[in-house]
Amino acid sequence: EIVLTQSPGTLSLSPGERATLSCRASQSVRSSYLAWYQQKPGQAPRLLIYGASSRATGIPDRFSGSGSGTDFTLTISRLEPEDFAVFYCQQYGNSPRTFGQGTKVEIK
Amino acid sequence: EVQLVESGGDLVQPGRSLRLSCAASGFTFDDYAMHWVRQAPGKGLEWVSGISWNSGSIGYADSVKGRFTISRDNAKNSLYLQMNSLRAEDTALYYCAKDINYGENDGYFDYWGQGTLVTVSS
Repeated sequence: EIVLTQSPGTLSLSPGERATLSCRASQSVRSSYLAWYQQKPGQAPRLLIYGASSRATGIPDRFSGSGSGTDFTLTISRLEPEDFAVFYCQQYGNSPRTFGQGTKVEIK
Repeated sequence: EVQLVESGGDLVQPGRSLRLSCAASGFTFDDYAMHWVRQAPGKGLEWVSGISWNSGSIGYADSVKGRFTISRDNAKNSLYLQMNSLRAEDTALYYCAKDINYGENDGYFDYWGQGTLVTVSS
């Protein structure tokens, strides 16, 4: 199975700053089948990005995804107060689907 | 509006069984694969099982293979997870999630329910 390693574990930033989250796969992710989800406390995960770089419906353009092969990045250009949450990457090109362990973006 | 509503979570003793349900609405249920994903308290997400639109293809995580059975009833727009031989490590919030594809093995999840809590403890 593909292991996804997210870094850093926690990112402490202020509103307005740029956030860069990394997701590294133990082997190449087929066809860049990599998604990102945001989860706020007490809520279900919400799809942000699919296909490594395509924004889901209704997701603001301050969220962007990039990468291919084994290295992927989620960037939040300017953090808004509502963006602070835990972010998970997921690969869906190989069975079983796997998730990274998450990166928490917290208010500094 | 897509809605996924899970139910059936409970406190159960190790070794016992439980059946989870997920009621779907707001989309054509039998056009899409469906999944169960769980999250242990304070932990990350773990895919548990998935089923294709017509139940022809099913997958399980190794951690539940042989103990859990996923099924669906397209006439009732419902997804199920039969959980047998439960263990303490199965304690988690169980989410129902909709796939963007009809097959169960290569799509991402565009909608999630709010989850149902399963606690396995004596």
